[in-house]
Amino acid sequence: EILMTQSPATLSVSPGERATLSCRASQSVSSNLAWYQQKPGQAPRLLIYGASTRATGIPARFSGSGSGTEFTLTISSLQSEDFALYYCQQYDNWPRTFGQGTKVEIK
Amino acid sequence: EVQLLESGGGLVQPGGSLRLSCAASGFTFSSYVMNWVRQAPGKGLEWVSSISGSDGYTYYADSVKGRFTISRDNSKNTLYLQMNSLRAEDTAVYYCAKGRGGSHTFSDYWGQGTRVTVSS
Repeated sequence: EILMTQSPATLSVSPGERATLSCRASQSVSSNLAWYQQKPGQAPRLLIYGASTRATGIPARFSGSGSGTEFTLTISSLQSEDFALYYCQQYDNWPRTFGQGTKVEIK
Repeated sequence: EVQLLESGGGLVQPGGSLRLSCAASGFTFSSYVMNWVRQAPGKGLEWVSSISGSDGYTYYADSVKGRFTISRDNSKNTLYLQMNSLRAEDTAVYYCAKGRGGSHTFSDYWGQGTRVTVSS
């Protein structure tokens, strides 16, 4: 099973600032990496797939990068609606595995 | 518009059974992998199971293998999860999610979830 590790667990950021979230895989997942956003009481929403491709309707301030074992989600200028939980998921191997999540909170 | 509507959750005793359903619309259901993902209270996301579009291949997390069965009825555009021998640790919100991709599929649309509580 591929272990996905996200850091930091919590990120405190002021509105308008940049947020950088990390996700590390215990072995290479190529570019088969997705990022999801989840707000309290809501289902997850797909942000990024293929490590760097934005999903339909996702604003350009969200960007993903990386391949192999190291991945980054960057939110260039945080808006109020971006404060949420973020999960990475590898879909290279079975079982699919998620990171434990990074909470982006208002500083 | 893709819509996924889960149902069938509820309170069940340890050792009991429950069948979840997910009614899909807005896409050609039989052409896509479908997934179940769960989230225990206050915890992160856990992939549970996936099923291919038309040839019936299934995949399970070790934590549910042998107890849960994923299936689909393409004529009814409905996904199922039969859950047997339920344990307290199966308590979670269960999400149905549409797959996207070829041999490597991620979840591009999610339902709102159905809550399962396993308790005596």
